[in-house]
Amino acid sequence: EAGVVQSPRYKIIEKKQPVAFWCNPISGHNTLYWYLQNLGQGPELLIRYENEEAVDDSQLPKDRFSAERLKGVDSTLKIQPAELGDSAVYLCASSATGELFFGEGSRLTVL
Amino acid sequence: QQPVQSPQAVILREGEDAVINCSSSKALYSVHWYRQKHGEAPVFLMILLKGGEQKGHDKISASFNEKKQQSSLYLTASQLSYSGTYFCGSRKTGANSKLTFGKGITLSVRP
Repeated sequence: EAGVVQSPRYKIIEKKQPVAFWCNPISGHNTLYWYLQNLGQGPELLIRYENEEAVDDSQLPKDRFSAERLKGVDSTLKIQPAELGDSAVYLCASSATGELFFGEGSRLTVL
Repeated sequence: QQPVQSPQAVILREGEDAVINCSSSKALYSVHWYRQKHGEAPVFLMILLKGGEQKGHDKISASFNEKKQQSSLYLTASQLSYSGTYFCGSRKTGANSKLTFGKGITLSVRP
């Protein structure tokens, strides 16, 4: 069974540029999460979807971050414009019965 | 609210035992444990639901003391492969409520 797939694995951009990350969850997993992980820290929730509905986006900085999950499967996380402090690993995870299955993450470096 | 993990780091020799802890000031519905190796995705270890149950997985087991809002992860006869960062995550209400992770504990097993 394929795991959670994320792309790109690495992205280097200059500040003020836009960037987008894509996530394909495990088939049949209705719940999808986007987490941000800074070096030496635990994952911090950005947004959680139940099917196509965003049920918890309270931690998403909505002035520059946006996310969508069309048709309740794949999801895209966008940052526009990126700031230096956005450098981090963006993790996508999916879940069916409680435990989270994480993708390998997208490492963003903002110069 | 972020769970608190202790100790901050653990260094031990192959074959030794270790205990790492996770506590919360809020009532918890469940506690998750994940292990993350450097540059990789966090991997699910186990979930403990309120009720004080203890679970085991190979030589790694965990307990959840509902009254103390504390979970402990026990690593017995540690192996080199146990090295990594251990995160606990907590849910306050229900299987689909927000999962909040602690900062993690780095565990290094040496030959």
